[in-house]
Amino acid sequence: DTEVTQTPKHLVMGMTNKKSLKCEQHMGHRAMYWYKQKAKKPPELMFVYSYEKLSINESVPSRFSPECPNSSLLNLHLHALQPEDSALYLCASSGIRAGVGTGELFFGEGSRLTVL
Amino acid sequence: AQKITQTQPGMFVQEKEAVTLDCTYDTSDQSYGLFWYKQPSSGEMIFLIYQGSYDEQNATEGRYSLNFQKARKSANLVISASQLGDSAMYFCAMRGGAGGYQKVTFGTGTKLQVIP
Repeated sequence: DTEVTQTPKHLVMGMTNKKSLKCEQHMGHRAMYWYKQKAKKPPELMFVYSYEKLSINESVPSRFSPECPNSSLLNLHLHALQPEDSALYLCASSGIRAGVGTGELFFGEGSRLTVL
Repeated sequence: AQKITQTQPGMFVQEKEAVTLDCTYDTSDQSYGLFWYKQPSSGEMIFLIYQGSYDEQNATEGRYSLNFQKARKSANLVISASQLGDSAMYFCAMRGGAGGYQKVTFGTGTKLQVIP
């Protein structure tokens, strides 16, 4: 069982809808990530939160809005998406600094998003 | 910017044989970490093995070993005694380097198919 939980597993939305993806971890990790993965492509980094503050934004369009309400939760708010935004959205968490563990990313099972 | 290169889009291996998946990376920093992940068709990302840039010995985890050649900037994954369940996408990833500790970048992946 994964220790990072993502909901929903599948989401279908229209271009005018507003929806949210949720991610939760209870491993005490203080870094949390959103990745976007298109079919047969590698995960692409979107956002990184460190100590609940946004530390990396990879020039993601504003129709994606991340939120980290506390150290265990990470949300991705979706609004006015385009069909090309259809993808698998992966949440991950990790330790926050070098020298503590391996720094591996622990991934959730992903939310598969379809935009009609 | 850090870059990860996987030059083998697809590989075949006979069951019970060993296989090497190639990964090269580009960074001018001295401190970084290298990872391999497995992604079955179900979509989950499974951590396999980690190598730190200062580690003098090659990492091993069960049937997985990492052939780390720092001067050549390569971190190849060796899977021994391949099993049918090893059929999946394999991604090499790097943490650190020019992007900072929080940035984890993935290579394009290698699709491995194990033949009975």
